[in-house]
Amino acid sequence: DAGITQSPRYKITETGRQVTLMCHQTWSHSYMFWYRQDLGHGLRLIYYSAAADITDKGEVPDGYVVSRSKTENFPLTLESATRSQTSVYFCASVGTYNEQFFGPGTRLTVL
Amino acid sequence: AQSVSQHNHHVILSEAASLELGCNYSYGGTVNLFWYVQYPGQHLQLLLKYFSGDPLVKGIKGFEAEFIKSKFSFNLRKPSVQWSDTAEYFCAVNPIRGGYQKVTFGTGTKLQVIP
Repeated sequence: DAGITQSPRYKITETGRQVTLMCHQTWSHSYMFWYRQDLGHGLRLIYYSAAADITDKGEVPDGYVVSRSKTENFPLTLESATRSQTSVYFCASVGTYNEQFFGPGTRLTVL
Repeated sequence: AQSVSQHNHHVILSEAASLELGCNYSYGGTVNLFWYVQYPGQHLQLLLKYFSGDPLVKGIKGFEAEFIKSKFSFNLRKPSVQWSDTAEYFCAVNPIRGGYQKVTFGTGTKLQVIP
């Protein structure tokens, strides 16, 4: 099915471990985004990408790494997870009229 | 950098009551404006959008929003809410100044509709 998918949907990990969250879209949208959603903070932009091999920092990039070797994939890696990175992570891509399409989210718990 | 303010953090209404959620932004140029809805446990979905033309925009499920440029506002309205409208609502602004610009989201308003 066309759309934007994220995996895993739920993840529990320990402090210090590396975690990669996957995002895949089937629309060939150029722009893709990673957000984290925390109570009281709304959505905060972590990283975004304008096209394959073009990425840039958002509002809260520290502790995260992204890559985009193919247009359809935009993985987010937590190099050494910390408790403060416990959050719900949403991937999104931008459509023709600048509207954002969101994935279902990944709920990450860092113990 | 632009900012988006949603002054109501939590709104509680009874079914059939009218709804108005405030959204103000700070950017002097041309903007695209959006309202997204997030139902409990789900991802954000587009409710409606404004690009140009008629400042009164109609979206899905009976929602509408009015863009008032002089007030930098884009308030969301619904004449009669239903229990199923219980969700969190996010206003978002996308400045138009050549190429794609990052969207800024408000912090959201949680709407609770009591049957």
